[in-house]
Amino acid sequence: GAVVSQHPSRVICKSGTSVKIECRSLDFQATTMFWYRQFPKQSLMLMATSNEGSKATYEQGVEKDKFLINHASLTLSTLTVTSAHPEDSSFYICSAGRNYGYTFGSGTRLTVV
Amino acid sequence: GDSVTQMEGPVTLSEEAFLTINCTYTATGYPSLFWYVQYPGEGLQLLLKATKADDKGSNKGFEATYRKETTSFHLEKGSVQVSDSAVYFCALSGTGANSKLTFGKGITLSVRP
Repeated sequence: GAVVSQHPSRVICKSGTSVKIECRSLDFQATTMFWYRQFPKQSLMLMATSNEGSKATYEQGVEKDKFLINHASLTLSTLTVTSAHPEDSSFYICSAGRNYGYTFGSGTRLTVV
Repeated sequence: GDSVTQMEGPVTLSEEAFLTINCTYTATGYPSLFWYVQYPGEGLQLLLKATKADDKGSNKGFEATYRKETTSFHLEKGSVQVSDSAVYFCALSGTGANSKLTFGKGITLSVRP
């Protein structure tokens, strides 16, 4: 079946540095990638939607200059958290949209210290 | 806009008990409905889905029926197992291909041996 590989699964970074999270669709082409953020014991909050070759569409309240999304190919989308701060610590999950179905990555636990 | 409402949790059951998790939605048009399951520290896995009214999704003993008249998609299982302990999310997507998913808050299910 369709698989989305998300890396890294866990990352700890220092405040002020940037972190890149990758999501790769392994056996299909993902024309649309969704990026979510999940706080402990809460639901998934959609951050942005990206389509291959075009700029991402960000949800209201999400800083596009802080959360940089690149979807340069049909198999790779990246989320870069720039100048990370402790409040950016969270669980980030990508999801590839494909023919009315959605395949989720396994998530990235980001801890900013 | 679209929204999904799940019953408040957490839910704790004994093994082999009957499970019902309520989910209602508000949406324009004819959304597709989903149940996702999240195990600790992992991403989301599709449990089941239904794409039109009166459809029944089923998987691993879980069932949910798309009820347009009551705008509901309640999740049921006749006999839960300890391994069913997880967080369950109800979600809907719009009518277009690769429309974004709107999630409910999720509910934690704990099953005691």
